[in-house]
Amino acid sequence: KQEVTQIPAALSVPEGENLVLNCSFTDSAIYNLQWFRQDPGKGLTSLLLIQSSQREQTSGRLNASLDKSSGRSTLYIAASQPGDSATYLCAAGVDSGAGSYQLTFGKGTKLSVIP
Amino acid sequence: SQTIHQWPATLVQPVGSPLSLECTVEGTSNPNLYWYRQAAGRGLQLLFYSVGIGQISSEVPQNLSASRPQDRQFILSSKKLLLSDSGFYLCAWSRTYTQYFGPGTRLTVL
Repeated sequence: KQEVTQIPAALSVPEGENLVLNCSFTDSAIYNLQWFRQDPGKGLTSLLLIQSSQREQTSGRLNASLDKSSGRSTLYIAASQPGDSATYLCAAGVDSGAGSYQLTFGKGTKLSVIP
Repeated sequence: SQTIHQWPATLVQPVGSPLSLECTVEGTSNPNLYWYRQAAGRGLQLLFYSVGIGQISSEVPQNLSASRPQDRQFILSSKKLLLSDSGFYLCAWSRTYTQYFGPGTRLTVL
């Protein structure tokens, strides 16, 4: 059974700092790896999706990498801003073979960017 | 563009009462639909998924059930709520290998 772990559980950084969030998964037979953002009391917003054949994806100040063989992904945020404060969730996607694509989520990293 | 709706946004219910949460998707056809629960201190847990009308798969045995009466409508129900049913319920849809989430329903069972 796939298990996804995110470290650290919480992180507080001063504005402008670069930071890295870590995600590990136990089963390397994934279809893709997604990073989401969740603001308090809100739904999930997809940030980046990395296909299993890819090594990284970039969107603005965000860069996500994937190392399937070691079961790890990282989310790099450059020049952090207070508006980046949120919980970041990592999810491993698998094709369940029953016509459904399923995600297994980590518990998230709660990021606070201090002005 | 596609849009996913959930209602109600918040709900407070007594133990033993029934539950009905609704999710609808606009702008796509024949989506896969999912119900997740996010409890305090825990990750998102997949509860049910559906690949078509009337087709429901359950991931976790519990006192909840799901139904899909129409292509873009997904309903989560319970006949008698438990305290442990409290949490944030999220609906999601997918056509290919990406999931898109609704705004969620905050359920508090007292």
